[in-house]
Amino acid sequence: GQQLNQSPQSMFIQEGEDVSMNCTSSSIFNTWLWYKQEPGEGPVLLIALYKAGELTSNGRLTAQFGITRKDSFLNISASIPSDVGIYFCAGKGGGADGLTFGKGTHLIIQP
Amino acid sequence: SAVISQKPSRDICQRGTSLTIQCQVDSQVTMMFWYRQQPGQSLTLIATANQGSEATYESGFVIDKFPISRPNLTFSTLTVSNMSPEDSSIYLCSVEGGGGETQYFGPGTRLLVL
Repeated sequence: GQQLNQSPQSMFIQEGEDVSMNCTSSSIFNTWLWYKQEPGEGPVLLIALYKAGELTSNGRLTAQFGITRKDSFLNISASIPSDVGIYFCAGKGGGADGLTFGKGTHLIIQP
Repeated sequence: SAVISQKPSRDICQRGTSLTIQCQVDSQVTMMFWYRQQPGQSLTLIATANQGSEATYESGFVIDKFPISRPNLTFSTLTVSNMSPEDSSIYLCSVEGGGGETQYFGPGTRLLVL
């Protein structure tokens, strides 16, 4: 089946630093999604990408859908304490497909 | 985005028993999905539930262990049957959004099996 490789597994950064994480897949997806999950909650959708090469921003977050349709990255600029959490990439094929998730990137911010 | 609620939010159960998890959404949706998130792990799709038809299960998940109901366009249930400690996980429902290209998640049900 499809597999997503997400890196890094964890990040320890200083407040104010920029963050970059990425996902690669063994096969193509039609949609790439980025979620954030905080303790005790379900994943919250941050950014959705619908076509190859698409670059989309949501405030301090920027994500891109790779040209090959097998990869995506998420950047967070000027990190703040509330950015702490686990960030998941997810890929979706066509039609009624469910999502395939990466293993997550744990973001920890040191004041 | 849709507002999704799940009941119970958490439970502690004895092995060999069954638990039914409810998922309610505030708008009508065609597709609902159930995921499992084992401790410290990512999310894995269990099944897709389309109203009016049998759920479609992913490899490694079977209907006898995880029966699903989808009686209408705003509600679904997932039952975890004959539980063992290995079933201790967070169970999440999600609904389609964005023209079917995105999904929104409920808060999850945290299950501990002793």
